[in-house]
Amino acid sequence: DVQLQESGPGLVKPSQSLSLTCTVTGYSITSDYAWNWIRQFPGNKLEWMGYISYSGSTSYNPSLKSRISITRDTSKNQFFLQLNSVTTEDTATYYCARSRTTVGATFDYWGQGTTLTVSS
Amino acid sequence: DIVMSQSPSSLAVSAGEKVTMSCKSSQSLLNSRTRKNYLAWYQQKPGQSPKLLIYWASTRESGVPDRFTGSGSGTDFTLTISSVQAEDLAVYYCKQSYNLLTFGAGTKLELK
Repeated sequence: DVQLQESGPGLVKPSQSLSLTCTVTGYSITSDYAWNWIRQFPGNKLEWMGYISYSGSTSYNPSLKSRISITRDTSKNQFFLQLNSVTTEDTATYYCARSRTTVGATFDYWGQGTTLTVSS
Repeated sequence: DIVMSQSPSSLAVSAGEKVTMSCKSSQSLLNSRTRKNYLAWYQQKPGQSPKLLIYWASTRESGVPDRFTGSGSGTDFTLTISSVQAEDLAVYYCKQSYNLLTFGAGTKLELK
């Protein structure tokens, strides 16, 4: 079965960069699909952040474009989120998820989420 | 940006009731070439990740009970639960993928 698992530091100071890892088991991230980062703010608003496709191409939410980078390590079947210059507004639960491009970018598998707090 | 608006923000129901909730988009989500509406519904229970229920506005994801029905086209969409069960208490989100991806704010289904 496909499983996704996020990992990260839990706490980051303002102006620093955050780095999160999504480890995928049960499916190769180079076979198909797009591999996404989505975050959920306190109060429950969901925001799609971006993806890296099976071929390595990326797409980002324009609201984050200057701060975000999504990369991958195919040997470990992992993909990563880097978000620069964080502020308290970036405090959220971060999810990684797989999306099926053939049926309108639907997220069919999600990780359980990792909570990130930005605070000094 | 396409803005998604959901109503109501919360809904108190009794088990067995029929429930409808609305999702409206600021632009049409109907692709003229594919004739598909790029609208999906997700269910999020407390402490869990969202779960895909419906895509293309009305296609039920595999394994989703048939009491969940999506309908609508263009800018107006509805999720109907024909007979609410206790396990359906959750927040329901619509999401458009016509142009990038944006979610609605959610409708919280609570027990009356």
